[in-house]
Amino acid sequence: DTGVSQDPRHKITKRGQNVTFRCDPISEHNRLYWYRQTLGQGPEFLTYFQNEAQLEKSRLLSDRFSAERPKGSFSTLEIQRTEQGDSAMYLCASSSGTDTQYFGPGTRLTVL
Amino acid sequence: AQSVTQPDIHITVSEGASLELRCNYSYGATPYLFWYVQSPGQGLQLLLKYFSGDTLVQGIKGFEAEFKRSQSSFNLRKPSVHWSDAAEYFCAVGEDYKLSFGAGTTVTVRA
Repeated sequence: DTGVSQDPRHKITKRGQNVTFRCDPISEHNRLYWYRQTLGQGPEFLTYFQNEAQLEKSRLLSDRFSAERPKGSFSTLEIQRTEQGDSAMYLCASSSGTDTQYFGPGTRLTVL
Repeated sequence: AQSVTQPDIHITVSEGASLELRCNYSYGATPYLFWYVQSPGQGLQLLLKYFSGDTLVQGIKGFEAEFKRSQSSFNLRKPSVHWSDAAEYFCAVGEDYKLSFGAGTTVTVRA
């Protein structure tokens, strides 16, 4: 069990650029989740997948955000036309069904 | 909708002293409750969880938490704090697919 991994760990970009983050879940986990955490706050749910199907999206996930999990394994989260308000830690988690969610180390995004 | 309140933003405790972090939740049904810990710049590590059964739950690193339905609380405790316990602690309530987190409590440990 290698845990949940995320890449990159840090990303600095300029406003208006597109960014993509990757998450590799624990191998036998069928569910994968994305959360966003801003400074001084707890994580907030963005979206989740069961296998390759995206089953729920928070209203926090604007049209500029898109997530995929094409083969039910790794997932990508893309942000188009980044804004300064997108600066946050993006956390990925995985679980086996409704069991405990295990989190990765996160990707810290800074939009200049 | 479920929600979680952690009333203490910051707690300072001496090494070796006891620690209690408060968590209150709002949820219509029997909740799934969690405590996670986050070190600076890191992801969240699960300390313990409550799904059902015994209301006193033991976790890793010597932590325990007690579920009190009548008070809608799930407070985290540790009898003797170590310097390595300095971190941010998050309480969360879960339903089928989503965790809702409190704003967190930052714990500082002084020598």
